[in-house]
Amino acid sequence: KNEVEQSPQNLTAQEGEFITINCSYSVGISALHWLQQHPGGGIVSLFMLSSGKKKHGRLIATINIQEKHSSLHITASHPRDSAVYICARGAYNTDKLIFGTGTRLQVFP
Amino acid sequence: DVKVTQSSRYLVKRTGEKVFLECVQDMDHENMFWYRQDPGLGLRLIYFSYDVKMKEKGDIPEGYSVSREKKERFSLILESASTNQTSMYLCASSPGQGSSPLHFGNGTRLTVT
Repeated sequence: KNEVEQSPQNLTAQEGEFITINCSYSVGISALHWLQQHPGGGIVSLFMLSSGKKKHGRLIATINIQEKHSSLHITASHPRDSAVYICARGAYNTDKLIFGTGTRLQVFP
Repeated sequence: DVKVTQSSRYLVKRTGEKVFLECVQDMDHENMFWYRQDPGLGLRLIYFSYDVKMKEKGDIPEGYSVSREKKERFSLILESASTNQTSMYLCASSPGQGSSPLHFGNGTRLTVT
């Protein structure tokens, strides 16, 4: 069992739909990371959070420390949001991350 | 903005060849990482370096070695490439303050035939 589980593995949506990607982890963390990988391969960091909620544009990340669960929401989805979204957990005193296997999102016009 | 540059986007090598993957970062980051990414497995850490000439094995170091002679450059070496090392290789760096975001290169897709 992976320490970081994401669901769903694949997700398709129509443009404009509200999207939720879930991430659960099994041990205590220093921070939870959400990253985005476009088809070209490069990965960018979207959020790093240890409590509550963070918002950037149409993206919202939430975390529930007690339940060891985080969600990434995309409001008013757009085809350019099509990418793989990866959740990763961080540990204390290290920048090493444990990654989930990713959620492949396709948004159709 | 931090820039992490990997020397090649695509590489094709033969079984048994020695392969060098180079990574350079321009933000004076302490930490540098090499990951490989395979379908269904996510990113797995090969090696990690927290300072010049310092390295630490990750989860899957077998068949790989690394070199960090200068702070900005972290090289991954496949001593004798094998077909099971066909993969996407991603380099990353971070400041080293604990729980800081990673900055990734664009990846090198290596095919070993």
